[in-house]
Amino acid sequence: NAGVTQTPKFRVLKTGQSMTLLCAQDMNHEYMYWYRQDPGMGLRLIHYSVGEGTTAKGEVPDGYNVSRLKKQNFLLGLESAAPSQTSVYFCASSYFIGQGNNQPQHFGDGTRLSIL
Amino acid sequence: SQELEQSPQSLIVQEGKNLTINCTSSKTLYGLYWYKQKYGEGLIFLMMLQKGGEEKSHEKITAKLDEKKQQSSLHITASQPSHAGIYLCGADRSGTDSWGKFQFGAGTQVVVTP
Repeated sequence: NAGVTQTPKFRVLKTGQSMTLLCAQDMNHEYMYWYRQDPGMGLRLIHYSVGEGTTAKGEVPDGYNVSRLKKQNFLLGLESAAPSQTSVYFCASSYFIGQGNNQPQHFGDGTRLSIL
Repeated sequence: SQELEQSPQSLIVQEGKNLTINCTSSKTLYGLYWYKQKYGEGLIFLMMLQKGGEEKSHEKITAKLDEKKQQSSLHITASQPSHAGIYLCGADRSGTDSWGKFQFGAGTQVVVTP
């Protein structure tokens, strides 16, 4: 199984440009997440989705938008990239069993994004 | 703000020695997860703890969750070079109005020397 696949793996953007990061999972997971990882800050949740057609804000949602049109895909968009969005972005997915009983998240290999 | 505090931030251990990493929460943990990350790679799931007092082991790694479900520890016995990496604890923050929320600690970098 491919698990969680992120594309692209690397990208360099200029300030003000837009782009979309794609996350695909083949495990039929209900939940999907987008995180960013910065030195000394750990992983911070940007947005997440508990099912197809639903999204919710995480800890640091400003400057990002997401969509979950299909259960297996979760897209992260940057409308107008800023240098502060330079980071490593991780996508993850997990099963949902019940409230307070989330299953472990499976992570992609990350997308390294630099905004000049 | 970091509601999950990990300590230490980093540690250097000699091969064959034991090490312990702690993860403390200001709120009750409904689920506590330990992950390992190698530089430049994604996170690999290690263990999940849900019940107060729970303890799990896999090979030389043992994780515990205290009775109050606010503190967890990860212990590695007789460390090897393969144990080097960044260890992160994560917590399920799901509640009646926040299903699916998840939060991570800042991570502990482990270096194993010969």
